[in-house]
Amino acid sequence: NAGVMQNPRHLVRRRGQEARLRCSPVKGHSHVYWYRQLPEEGLKFMVYLQKENIIDESGMPKERFSAEFPKEGPSILRIQQVVRGDSAAYFCASSPFHGGSEETQYFGPGTRLLVL
Amino acid sequence: LAKTTQPISMDSYEGQEVNITCSHNNIATNDYITWYQQFPSQGPRFIIQGYKTKVTNEVASLFIPADRKSSTLSLPRVSLSDTAVYYCLVGDGVMRGSSNTGKLIFGQGTTLQVKP
Repeated sequence: NAGVMQNPRHLVRRRGQEARLRCSPVKGHSHVYWYRQLPEEGLKFMVYLQKENIIDESGMPKERFSAEFPKEGPSILRIQQVVRGDSAAYFCASSPFHGGSEETQYFGPGTRLLVL
Repeated sequence: LAKTTQPISMDSYEGQEVNITCSHNNIATNDYITWYQQFPSQGPRFIIQGYKTKVTNEVASLFIPADRKSSTLSLPRVSLSDTAVYYCLVGDGVMRGSSNTGKLIFGQGTTLQVKP
């Protein structure tokens, strides 16, 4: 993990509450990706953001989920009115730029969300 | 959309060489092949990437035949700490110099168990 920070590492919420997951990319990286991993499964792409812009949100549920990557501060994945099916590990990845020779995505340690 | 197929699990012993093969029959002309490693409770970690023939770094080697319909990740002299899930990825049209979104498509991966 080349410096991607995620917090909290563990988050417990009751059904109906809101979950906010934060991701600070590697310094200098302007591309952020969010993935979700259910137990015993591979990661599933959710959303790709550049500073202040959502580029691709094709993997994100249309309702209750939103993401942002403001000019200043971390990227935020927000889940409103959580349900038990939202329980998963959420990983953030960043890359220095897109389309060039350094497309490698560096992943954070993840946030494990448990909905009771 | 290039799909990958790899064995669900493999067993090995310390000191052995491990080869994990991945098939990607529908790989696009400009697609690269990337391998990630994931330990329990951690985010995926980039191992190696290649386009054709052979690529070697300090961690692994990647062999890609001329037709590029498969690739083999080779881990020399594995140790217990190499026990992890290994993912073969052909990105969603990710190619160097492209303007695609770069989202990574993860399959179920290969769970490698190294025994003493």
